Amino acid sequence: EVQLVESGGGLAQPGGSLRLSCAASELTLDNYAMTWVRQAPGKGLEWVSAISDNAGVTYYADSVKGRFTISRDNSKATLYLQMNSLRAEDTAVYFCARDRLPGGYYYMDVWGKGTTVTVSS
Amino acid sequence: DIQMTQSPSSVSASVGDRVSITCRASQGINSFLAWYQQKPGKAPNLLIYAASSLQSGVPSRFSGSGSGTDFTLTISSLQPEDFATYFCQQANSFPLTFGGGTKVELK
Repeated sequence: EVQLVESGGGLAQPGGSLRLSCAASELTLDNYAMTWVRQAPGKGLEWVSAISDNAGVTYYADSVKGRFTISRDNSKATLYLQMNSLRAEDTAVYFCARDRLPGGYYYMDVWGKGTTVTVSS
Repeated sequence: DIQMTQSPSSVSASVGDRVSITCRASQGINSFLAWYQQKPGKAPNLLIYAASSLQSGVPSRFSGSGSGTDFTLTISSLQPEDFATYFCQQANSFPLTFGGGTKVELK
């Protein structure tokens, strides 16, 4: 089945770290920009970070800049999000998503089901 | 940053109704706009990209229009499976931003 599967979510203490992974199944990530989007409980969608097809360029929301790092390993068809210095307000479901077309248009047409991150003491 | 303002925040409608949702950008974004549908507990689903292009597999009752700062998503005849929350997203510049969402509810 063509899908993206996130993992790595869970409970973390404030100030702690988590590393999210997004693995592609029967789907190529080569030449496609990738994005992380999160959704706090009962809230709307918030863009978190994006990475270009060759990982040459990365982008971050101000709310996570300096704390989160996006990366990818195209040979493993996997996207990552290293989350450090976690805060309570980072509590959310985190989705990874693939661009609709190669080239970096940032319209996301393939999404994972999400992984839940809870930051609490 | 470009702010995306959706209205209304919720709408009550019946099956067969025509429903329109608007999204206004705080500055011009050309046609770099997408619309997504999200159902509870599920990931968003891309409906419209580039303001008016229908994503493959999406029913033709969904349409998008607009350019610059003002955009509209229209559902021509609401079906039971369309009751969901809809989000716009600008792809003109980083940071990417989403509208606050519009919940379409059964009247």
